[in-house]
Amino acid sequence: EDQVTQSPEALRLQEGESSSLNCSYTVSGLRGLFWYRQDPGKGPEFLFTLYSAGEEKEKERLKATLTKKESFLHITAPKPEDSATYLCAVLAGGTSYGKLTFGQGTILTVHP
Amino acid sequence: ETGVTQSPTHLIKTRGQQVTLRCSSQSGHNTVSWYQQALGQGPQFIFQYYREEENGRGNFPPRFSGLQFPNYSSELNVNALELDDSALYLCASSVQGWETQYFGPGTRLLVL
Repeated sequence: EDQVTQSPEALRLQEGESSSLNCSYTVSGLRGLFWYRQDPGKGPEFLFTLYSAGEEKEKERLKATLTKKESFLHITAPKPEDSATYLCAVLAGGTSYGKLTFGQGTILTVHP
Repeated sequence: ETGVTQSPTHLIKTRGQQVTLRCSSQSGHNTVSWYQQALGQGPQFIFQYYREEENGRGNFPPRFSGLQFPNYSSELNVNALELDDSALYLCASSVQGWETQYFGPGTRLLVL
């Protein structure tokens, strides 16, 4: 069974204090790994898709990387508006449909 | 380009009742997936529809059913509501089942 574990569960940072969020996964044949941002009471907002080990993607203060066992979301010089829950999800191969398996999320709080 | 929309935004039902949630997919997307997100958890896959056919299902009982229409909009129906069905229900659309999924704002369902 596909599994995704995110750590830490919660992270508090001061504005400008860079850090990383971890997503460890077990899946039979990774087809893609996805990062989403979710604000309270809202739907997840797409950030990145990574397809193969070694791949990196960047957007503003965020950078996502992928290895064969885990993915990291690096946040450089965060601002209070980066506060949200960050969700990681994997899409396994072997099926014709796209079932995303999500982790439980990391709640990020950035203090001014 | 119009994103994914869902209606209603909030809903209160009593145990044993039936509910229908609606989703309009993003322009150009022919695949719709439904997820259930309990408070503090990651979304869980309910099922996916592609060209009006269910082409994948998660571990949810048959009282969770769906439809997709020729314009690719979709409905999620839940019969015999239980207290544990209280959650945020998310709809996501994609170009193909295994491509990046874009989420709507969700419908918050409370079962009393």
